[in-house]
Amino acid sequence: GESVGLHLPTLSVQEGDNSIINCAYSNSASDYFIWYKQESGKGPQFIIDIRSNMDKRQGQRVTVLLNKTVKHLSLQIAATQPGDSAVYFCAENPGGYNKLIFGAGTRLAVHP
Amino acid sequence: DAMVIQNPRYQVTQFGKPVTLSCSQTLNHNVMYWYQQKSSQAPKLLFHYYDKDFNNEADTPDNFQSRRPNTSFCFLDIRSPGLGDAAMYLCATSRDQGWDEQYFGPGTRLTVT
Repeated sequence: GESVGLHLPTLSVQEGDNSIINCAYSNSASDYFIWYKQESGKGPQFIIDIRSNMDKRQGQRVTVLLNKTVKHLSLQIAATQPGDSAVYFCAENPGGYNKLIFGAGTRLAVHP
Repeated sequence: DAMVIQNPRYQVTQFGKPVTLSCSQTLNHNVMYWYQQKSSQAPKLLFHYYDKDFNNEADTPDNFQSRRPNTSFCFLDIRSPGLGDAAMYLCATSRDQGWDEQYFGPGTRLTVT
């Protein structure tokens, strides 16, 4: 679905803490999911992806969890650093021609 | 080295005056996409090219057009910009369709006066 709204939800964390960013996706036929990080004035940057035949995938300091039953995706960032401050978007691919449908986004603010 | 390049980074145009945004890529990817991102919102796909085949999203206004003269370049033309078209325009590429990662450019921020 479309994301709407003028104000992004914000998650504020202390440097060194773990962060969890959540996302609900809309299409039960979606089979590929991606998390993007977008810093101010820049384009989205790929963080990690997961296919629908998996429920967990780990990267460097990041973990993505997928719960297809409730159409929920989460991004866990371990030992959050100031450089992690950005807006994070989940995106779903409902199949076909690699169309991405982005979620509403969450702003992550990391405080020293 | 920049892989997806957008020019200009900032563009100001007048209401109703046609404007063209440019995207180039050094990845030799088959697919190029244009997204519109309004302030504090998620990117929204306008259209994409798979090689020379143009694919328009159903809800993309006719005011938005695109050209892809070769593999490396893709242009977004806004024929008669309105105030509501002020946004960040993002170009992205992927090697192929399906599950391939999309690589985004830095975007062009369009202001309409």
